[in-house]
Amino acid sequence: QKEVEQDPGPLSVPEGAIVSLNCTYSNSAFQYFMWYRQYSRKGPELLMYTYSSGNKEDGRFTAQVDKSSKYISLFIRDSQPSDSATYLCAAKTGTASKLTFGTGTRLQVTL
Amino acid sequence: DTGVSQDPRHKITKRGQNVTFRCDPISEHNRLYWYRQTLGQGPEFLTYFQNEAQLEKSRLLSDRFSAERPKGSFSTLEIQRTEQGDSAMYLCASSFGRGLYNSPLHFGNGTRLTVT
Repeated sequence: QKEVEQDPGPLSVPEGAIVSLNCTYSNSAFQYFMWYRQYSRKGPELLMYTYSSGNKEDGRFTAQVDKSSKYISLFIRDSQPSDSATYLCAAKTGTASKLTFGTGTRLQVTL
Repeated sequence: DTGVSQDPRHKITKRGQNVTFRCDPISEHNRLYWYRQTLGQGPEFLTYFQNEAQLEKSRLLSDRFSAERPKGSFSTLEIQRTEQGDSAMYLCASSFGRGLYNSPLHFGNGTRLTVT
């Protein structure tokens, strides 16, 4: 079993929809949670960085962490075709430097 | 652009050849990471450096792989006697860290290796 699980998709939504992307994790020691966006043939780009449980909002993006259920989410409001990419969740413990990634969810926003 | 820079972007090599990749991190960052990503998978950790010291290596990093960061700035990743299973995107990332504190990782655009 992977430490971070993520549905690979693809997920297809119409422009303007609210998108919900989710991950589960198994390592109780994870304290920091991240979402990265990766366009085809590019490196991952950091979108959201959160510590412990709670919500964090940045523009159209909201990240949620529920440590009690080991569940992390990313919501994208008013989705745009330019949001079409693979979204990777990642986590790390308080003492580790390395990140553990999910497999990524491929999102397609259609006109 | 002062982001993480990787060279080359693409490398095609024949099985059994040696290849070397270079990574230039963000200049203020003292920690540097190498990850490998295969199609449809998330990045997998290979190794990381703090300054010039290699502090952690994954079991994925076989004896054919060696990474260096001789002056604590740029890093190289060498793969000897390449195999077809080495075909992947090799990603470099950097961050600033001190003790338990670590800033978020910033990734380069990777080197795509194809072994024929």
